[in-house]
Amino acid sequence: QSALTQPASVSGSPGQSITISCTGTSNDVGGYNYVSWYQQHPGRAPKLIIYDVTKRPSGISNRFSGSKSGNTASLTISGLQAEDEADYYCSSYTRTTTPVFGGGTKLTVL
Amino acid sequence: EVQLVESGGGLVQPGGSLRLSCAASGFTFSSNWMHWVRQVPGKELVWVSRISSDGSNTIYADSVKGRFTISRDNAKNTLYLQMNSLRAEDTAVYYCARVLDGYKERPYCDYWGQGALVTVSS
Repeated sequence: QSALTQPASVSGSPGQSITISCTGTSNDVGGYNYVSWYQQHPGRAPKLIIYDVTKRPSGISNRFSGSKSGNTASLTISGLQAEDEADYYCSSYTRTTTPVFGGGTKLTVL
Repeated sequence: EVQLVESGGGLVQPGGSLRLSCAASGFTFSSNWMHWVRQVPGKELVWVSRISSDGSNTIYADSVKGRFTISRDNAKNTLYLQMNSLRAEDTAVYYCARVLDGYKERPYCDYWGQGALVTVSS
């Protein structure tokens, strides 16, 4: 199973909004509404921030939102804050019932 | 408070074996599906294996199939990953992760351990 495709890096200024894309195929992202997103700060374990494409776990800020169109899922972070600077990974359920992760996107808050 | 604590990592020679453990606390371990995910430092997350809440359903990434075995002891609240025939490319930090309450095959991991470093080198 090939990794999902994410941009290597994105950046934005405090208060701005950014969007990270995650492109797969009809065998994963396009075939199921089972996409999740994780935030990972350096040296820390990943943290679930979006699941079922659009849902947020308890305690996750509503500045984080998810969407999907066709084979591409997206994570939008609005009102960027310095603490949002981290690596972000998408993940999708696949036709083989196993999950696949994206290559990760490094978010820099300017 | 939910806690997952991995142990058993270390340095092993190519072809060797290692068993990782993940001690769970703060929740009803026997109710949750569990995953192992690995990450080479500085690189992307890579899914390794998943096990159902009762241990009857397991699945593996192609890269570890036939060499790694996931298991659990619900009486001891512990998840395991037995790793045999280790290769240099298995070098990574290994995380155990809990599937979100109420979800099974959907791979939504809401709690993760701190990670155990496995280094395969001669």
